[in-house]
Amino acid sequence: GESVGLHLPTLSVQEGDNSIINCAYSNSASDYFIWYKQESGKGPQFIIDIRSNMDKRQGQRVTVLLNKTVKHLSLQIAATQPGDSAVYFCAEKTGGGNKLTFGTGTQLKVEL
Amino acid sequence: GAGVSQSPSNKVTEKGKDVELRCDPISGHTALYWYRQSLGQGLEFLIYFQGNSAPDKSGLPSDRFSAERTGGSVSTLTIQRTQQEDSAVYLCASSFGTGHHGDTQYFGPGTRLTVL
Repeated sequence: GESVGLHLPTLSVQEGDNSIINCAYSNSASDYFIWYKQESGKGPQFIIDIRSNMDKRQGQRVTVLLNKTVKHLSLQIAATQPGDSAVYFCAEKTGGGNKLTFGTGTQLKVEL
Repeated sequence: GAGVSQSPSNKVTEKGKDVELRCDPISGHTALYWYRQSLGQGLEFLIYFQGNSAPDKSGLPSDRFSAERTGGSVSTLTIQRTQQEDSAVYLCASSFGTGHHGDTQYFGPGTRLTVL
């Protein structure tokens, strides 16, 4: 079936370095994508989103890139900080529905 | 303002018992969602309420699961005759319900259910 998945389950980076978290999606009809951050014991927190008619969107220290040709989504975090340590999920919406389909998540660990 | 709240934060129950999980959405949000998150996994959609429309129940895994939303606000997810595979974190989210992209879903902290 259609699915959204992540390439790497765990990513370790040094404080101050840039982080790149990847996500592959298989539903070519998906037209909206979101990245969520989930800290231990908390619910997911919205980070940034992107529509399928865009290939890049920037926020504060974060950038999302969308490559529809290969159905790939990435989240770039600049100057990674200890507070960025969390599990990051990509999610997609298809058509006009509100239901989100989530990937399995990537654990980001920031080493001091 | 206050975010999405859920209760209880933790629930331990015995196999075969019924449980009720509660969600209080953000005031003014007309859309409410339930998801399930198993250990080390992503979120699995369960059910979605939008205003007075019939809920989208397409994600409910079995007829032991049901949910209601009273008065367009508080929602209760009920699991009957719980099984060990029901053990997970149950997350609730709410949104303005515009139906447009960018209608951000805001999540509560979840209820961790453990079925012994």
